[in-house]
Amino acid sequence: AQSVTQLDSHVSVSEGTPVLLRCNYSSSYSPSLFWYVQHPNKGLQLLLKYTSAATLVKGINGFEAEFKKSETSFHLTKPSAHMSDAAEYFCVVSLGPYGNNRLAFGKGNQVVVIP
Amino acid sequence: ETGVTQSPTHLIKTRGQQVTLRCSSQSGHNTVSWYQQALGQGPQFIFQYYREEENGRGNFPPRFSGLQFPNYSSELNVNALELDDSALYLCASTTRREAVDTGELFFGEGSRLTVL
Repeated sequence: AQSVTQLDSHVSVSEGTPVLLRCNYSSSYSPSLFWYVQHPNKGLQLLLKYTSAATLVKGINGFEAEFKKSETSFHLTKPSAHMSDAAEYFCVVSLGPYGNNRLAFGKGNQVVVIP
Repeated sequence: ETGVTQSPTHLIKTRGQQVTLRCSSQSGHNTVSWYQQALGQGPQFIFQYYREEENGRGNFPPRFSGLQFPNYSSELNVNALELDDSALYLCASTTRREAVDTGELFFGEGSRLTVL
């Protein structure tokens, strides 16, 4: 079954320092992978997506993620954290073959940005 | 803003009652999915509707049911509410083309249900 694992449920970073959120996936076929962000009292917003094209994916707000099949990983990074990055981040895998948009979410990373 | 709207935003029910949550999908989107997000957890897939038919279901009991209307809006109904049903219920919509091309979903802000 398709699933994702996010460690470090809470992550604290200082403003201006790099952000790294780790995600490992399990999938029996080439997966579609996503990172979504959820700000307090807001809906989920897509940050970026991997759909078997380039392995380095650039998203909104300066975030990017690299798909590494050998490591079954899809870690999210940003070179310099901003206060507005404080939110919950979810790594997500599609539940079915490509074109099936049912999603399995990880447990999330709550990111706190320290001024 | 995704254009997906949900109502009500908050509601409180007691155990054993029934609840209906509503979702208006983004214009042009014909596929609607529902997710349950318990406190401190990631969202869990409940079911998906396409052209008014259920098109996939997660690991939820039959007391969770849904409808999709000709205008693609949708309802989630939960009967015989239990305390563990307390959660944020998220609706997401997309087009069939988007589903095939990217799998991306567009989420509403959710309905927060509290069961006492």
